[in-house]
Amino acid sequence: GAVVSQHPSRVICKSGTSVKIECRSLDFQATTMFWYRQFPKQSLMLMATSNEGSKATYEQGVEKDKFLINHASLTLSTLTVTSAHPEDSSFYICSQSGTYEQYFGPGTRLTVT
Amino acid sequence: QQQVKQSPQSLIVQKGGISIINCAYENTAFDYFPWYQQFPGKGPALLIAIRPDVSEKKEGRFTISFNKSAKQFSLHIMDSQPGDSATYFCAASKGDGSARQLTFGSGTQLTVLP
Repeated sequence: GAVVSQHPSRVICKSGTSVKIECRSLDFQATTMFWYRQFPKQSLMLMATSNEGSKATYEQGVEKDKFLINHASLTLSTLTVTSAHPEDSSFYICSQSGTYEQYFGPGTRLTVT
Repeated sequence: QQQVKQSPQSLIVQKGGISIINCAYENTAFDYFPWYQQFPGKGPALLIAIRPDVSEKKEGRFTISFNKSAKQFSLHIMDSQPGDSATYFCAASKGDGSARQLTFGSGTQLTVLP
């Protein structure tokens, strides 16, 4: 069964507004979670590594002030897209880190109008 | 620098045929090589994975072949079915004491014709 859930699965927001995406670990405590962005017909691009109780580590080129990540508990990490613009429209996916594996959530389709 | 190269970009196979997807990596520190299957609008799902101490791993109709000296690995799907139609990503990771990050290939869109 699913080990990672995401909410919402789809969200439409207006340009300039902020939207929060939740990623929950369902079956074990996740010290580390990852956030990815995927554009149509492209591979997954790592945005940031989220560590429980500490600041996220962002990949080069990802604006940390625009993509706010909070990992306040071992089962919940959130990604907030602030002042969203149409170019932020994408498929956002989180994953939970295992010993070797990563288990991915079902993804959130963000559309900014 | 693209550390994991995947080919082909797309693949069309007849039902019952063998689907083969290839990946090559550059970083010899990689020590874990998973394959993920992704259906449209869904997150990737772990399909099968291999460590470099073995040359082949089989799970049902899915087999990974691994060539350490050539730094290549491939996914073979035997008796391909229309339900296998999806995008497949190879990946690689290495352990450095922190949580493992995955380096993904570019993906292969597989279509299995009925």
